[in-house]
Amino acid sequence: QKEVEQDPGPLSVPEGAIVSLNCTYSNSAFQYFMWYRQYSRKGPELLMYTYSSGNKEDGRFTAQVDKSSKYISLFIRDSQPSDSATYLCAMSAEGLTQGGSEKLVFGKGTKLTVNP
Amino acid sequence: DTEVTQTPKHLVMGMTNKKSLKCEQHMGHRAMYWYKQKAKKPPELMFVYSYEKLSINESVPSRFSPECPNSSLLNLHLHALQPEDSALYLCASSWGVSEAFFGQGTRLTVV
Repeated sequence: QKEVEQDPGPLSVPEGAIVSLNCTYSNSAFQYFMWYRQYSRKGPELLMYTYSSGNKEDGRFTAQVDKSSKYISLFIRDSQPSDSATYLCAMSAEGLTQGGSEKLVFGKGTKLTVNP
Repeated sequence: DTEVTQTPKHLVMGMTNKKSLKCEQHMGHRAMYWYKQKAKKPPELMFVYSYEKLSINESVPSRFSPECPNSSLLNLHLHALQPEDSALYLCASSWGVSEAFFGQGTRLTVV
């Protein structure tokens, strides 16, 4: 079982739809959860950062973490064509290191297209 | 300011060339990273500098050589690369386990 599982899609929705993106993970030590948005040929942009369980909202974006189910979600309300990108989940934990620094574990990314 | 700046944005180099990628951050982060990203794949960690101390992903070939002149700057020296090294090279920085901020990357093509 991979540490982080993310459906690569592709996911295609009409403009204005609510989008739900998800990741599951196997390592219960993960405490820090991030969502990145990556446009084609650009670097990942940090969208949301959550520590431990709970919800976090920022504008049209809501991140949810359910540690009991080892499941995280990103919701996008009123989706726009400009939201078309690949969305990567990432997570880390204190003490989970690679080369002496905390390791960031990525999902494979979900490619989202929002059609006008 | 949450910006990580990478130069150049694009680079084409021959297999016998030597080139360097540069990265700069002014967020006071003490950890800086080099990642390699191939198309339709997540970023793959190459090197970490934490408090200017290097840690290496042992699978990275020696034709890639990192350098950290100070806590704000990070370089990646390239020598005798292969066509399969063509990829997007990403620099990132963070305080540690907290969120990492990425630069826009250098798109490298080896011919």
